[in-house]
Amino acid sequence: GESVGLHLPTLSVQEGDNSIINCAYSNSASDYFIWYKQESGKGPQFIIDIRSNMDKRQGQRVTVLLNKTVKHLSLQIAATQPGDSAVYFCADLQDSSYKLIFGSGTRLLVRP
Amino acid sequence: DGGITQSPKYLFRKEGQNVTLSCEQNLNHDAMYWYRQDPGQGLRLIYYSQIVNDFQKGDIAEGYSVSREKKESFPLTVTSAQKNPTAFYLCASMKVAGATDTQYFGPGTRLTVL
Repeated sequence: GESVGLHLPTLSVQEGDNSIINCAYSNSASDYFIWYKQESGKGPQFIIDIRSNMDKRQGQRVTVLLNKTVKHLSLQIAATQPGDSAVYFCADLQDSSYKLIFGSGTRLLVRP
Repeated sequence: DGGITQSPKYLFRKEGQNVTLSCEQNLNHDAMYWYRQDPGQGLRLIYYSQIVNDFQKGDIAEGYSVSREKKESFPLTVTSAQKNPTAFYLCASMKVAGATDTQYFGPGTRLTVL
């Protein structure tokens, strides 16, 4: 079936280092992906999105890479800060059903 | 939280009671969604609505009910038929159903069954 999954449940990085969070998807027809950040007790917050006609998209300190050949998505955070500590979800928007399919999430811990 | 409000923030329910969670958006979005999140888990879709007076079941609709009488409001009722209702409930909205667009989330309601 369709799924969007993450490789690592927890990622610990040193403050100032770059972070890379990975995500695999199984639906080859997926054409729109979103990364969300969720802090404890709060709703998910949109970070960045990418469409399948792109390989890379950059935002402020974040970059999303899409490899359609291996159905892999990654979120790169530059110069990771303590405020980046959260759970990060990738999601695939199913246009045909207007639903988001979420992975289980990766918890990012930033060491001071 | 992008113009989406949820109330209350915390809700306690006795077993056998129905409770209603509020979700309001002032973004003029067409589509609205309800998700359930359990500790350490991702989000699972309960119900969604693309237009007023219409809604569809998501993946875990049993024990829940919704209504969409107004574009800006999408209340969720957790009925006594829901056997394990303790969870974090998230409401979301999207501008145009069917379009490639982002869903924006509210702050959530944490429901605890006593």
